[in-house]
Amino acid sequence: SAVISQKPSRDICQRGTSLTIQCQVDSQVTMMFWYRQQPGQSLTLIATANQGSEATYESGFVIDKFPISRPNLTFSTLTVSNMSPEDSSIYLCSVDTMAAYGYTFGSGTRLTVV
Amino acid sequence: RKEVEQDPGPFNVPEGATVAFNCTYSNSASQSFFWYRQDCRKEPKLLMSVYSSGNEDGRFTAQLNRASQYISLLIRDSKLSDSATYLCVVNMNTGFQKLVFGTGTRLLVSP
Repeated sequence: SAVISQKPSRDICQRGTSLTIQCQVDSQVTMMFWYRQQPGQSLTLIATANQGSEATYESGFVIDKFPISRPNLTFSTLTVSNMSPEDSSIYLCSVDTMAAYGYTFGSGTRLTVV
Repeated sequence: RKEVEQDPGPFNVPEGATVAFNCTYSNSASQSFFWYRQDCRKEPKLLMSVYSSGNEDGRFTAQLNRASQYISLLIRDSKLSDSATYLCVVNMNTGFQKLVFGTGTRLLVSP
């Protein structure tokens, strides 16, 4: 399965600022996914990022708040903009290598907004 | 109704016990099903895919019941290292790949 390098692993940010999270995959993948896992909760899909097109956002998530870039088939970024304490969460990227084998996740970014 | 529902637990079992988790899903058109394991403060990792015929991997057995729309995971001879949260995951196949995660079932195996 693919190996994903996600960074930063954690950050503490001031409210009103923005943080960009990066995911690098060791192989080319068509779709990359960005998830959020709030404390004590399961994972919620934020958006799906395809190379060469705009990301597709899930209900409740908007591009102005979570802009995504997908410049090539091995890399994507998620920006959490104008942060508030409610954005404190773990953010994970994921790729689908082969459906039968499930999805692989990055190690996550633990974000705390103060 | 939630798209994927699990009993959050925790399930407290002694070493060597057999424990079973169930999960129900709402979309009858779903095609792919998985169990993931998530350790505290770590990312989810694929434990096993779930096939219509059922599948077994060592001490772990997964079953799918399409008619009743539920998935199960059976762990035999529990080890201390099995303590984790087990996530039921369904691929909704809504035009493109979309994984929906259950809230997870927490398992605590004690000596």
